[in-house]
Amino acid sequence: KQEVTQIPAALSVPEGENLVLNCSFTDSAIYNLQWFRQDPGKGLTSLLLIQSSQREQTSGRLNASLDKSSGRSTLYIAASQPGDSATYLCAANYNNNDMRFGAGTRLTVKP
Amino acid sequence: NAGVTQTPKFRVLKTGQSMTLLCAQDMNHEYMYWYRQDPGMGLRLIHYSVGEGTTAKGEVPDGYNVSRLKKQNFLLGLESAAPSQTSVYFCASRRYFGGRYEQYFGPGTRLTVT
Repeated sequence: KQEVTQIPAALSVPEGENLVLNCSFTDSAIYNLQWFRQDPGKGLTSLLLIQSSQREQTSGRLNASLDKSSGRSTLYIAASQPGDSATYLCAANYNNNDMRFGAGTRLTVKP
Repeated sequence: NAGVTQTPKFRVLKTGQSMTLLCAQDMNHEYMYWYRQDPGMGLRLIHYSVGEGTTAKGEVPDGYNVSRLKKQNFLLGLESAAPSQTSVYFCASRRYFGGRYEQYFGPGTRLTVT
């Protein structure tokens, strides 16, 4: 069964700290892996997408890595800010139309 | 450009009632999706469509029906609502750009079945 797990479920850090969010997937035959941000009561916003042939993607203070062989992806957030507080979801895309989501990591960045 | 919109935003149903959720996108995307999100769980795919007039089942299709009569609209129907269908429903559309696929999500519909 294709499952996606995110650890930790919740994380609270002081402003300015660097942090890592983890995502693991049981089936390594992914098409791509995507990280999303979800604010309370809102939809999902795509942050980074890594194709299966890539190792990492960067956007501003965000860096996502992908290790297909071990079934892992990490999202690194540098110099965290209170505005980064949200739930972060990872999704493994299988066969184009089969996207499996993790339950998310709820991040709180304290001023 | 409104992106992906969903109607309604909130709804309360009684067990056995029926309703239709509407998803609309103005980006001319071929692919559209319906997901549900439950507490402590990731989004799960209910149904999807790869183009006008086509639909397919996702991971959790039971109790739902869909229609894609127009390219810009994707409807999700509940014929006889059950408390287990209490959830937040998200619609998404997908584009192919720069050699990759990207999904765009609507704001969600919060449904409560009593």
